[in-house]
Amino acid sequence: GQNIDQPTEMTATEGAIVQINCTYQTSGFNGLFWYQQHAGEAPTFLSYNVLDGLEEKGRFSSFLSRSKGYSYLLLKELQMKDSASYLCAPPGDGANNLFFGTGTRLTVIP
Amino acid sequence: DGGITQSPKYLFRKEGQNVTLSCEQNLNHDAMYWYRQDPGQGLRLIYYSQIVNDFQKGDIAEGYSVSREKKESFPLTVTSAQKNPTAFYLCASSDRRFSTDTQYFGPGTRLTVL
Repeated sequence: GQNIDQPTEMTATEGAIVQINCTYQTSGFNGLFWYQQHAGEAPTFLSYNVLDGLEEKGRFSSFLSRSKGYSYLLLKELQMKDSASYLCAPPGDGANNLFFGTGTRLTVIP
Repeated sequence: DGGITQSPKYLFRKEGQNVTLSCEQNLNHDAMYWYRQDPGQGLRLIYYSQIVNDFQKGDIAEGYSVSREKKESFPLTVTSAQKNPTAFYLCASSDRRFSTDTQYFGPGTRLTVL
């Protein structure tokens, strides 16, 4: 099985930077996905890290350390619309299944 | 426009009735998935299909059934055997059969059992 750990909730101020951490244990390994999910909506793809290191994509960056089972999502210049849940999803072993954490609910305040 | 559609958006069911949730994609994706999400919880995999006429149970398949007769379609039936069916149901698809392929989600169906 999988063991994915993310903080349940975080609050940050508009314009600030926030880092959402994810630790995991998987028997197989093929990188890690991050998804954003606004309340009542479907998750949308944010990033995929297959190699160790930092991947930057505009205001969002994602970091991965495979040996440590650790990833983080970095959100810069926070906007009110960034208030959402952020789901960490390491792929499982074999097939094509993702294992989703319970997500981190981020609230951006003025 | 390419994408994944789910219908209906909201569904109400009386206890003891079966109900079928629709999922269609025109992305030409091989793999399709059904997830369930409960309030404040992550996504849990119900069933997945890597190719037409084949599907596999996920972590919480009991009380659910699926079919994959066409590449574009992967309907989910919630049967009366599912003891707690009220939830948000999400369908997803991915290009190939590998765990490294990005899954894209439909808008979801919110099922409420009365």
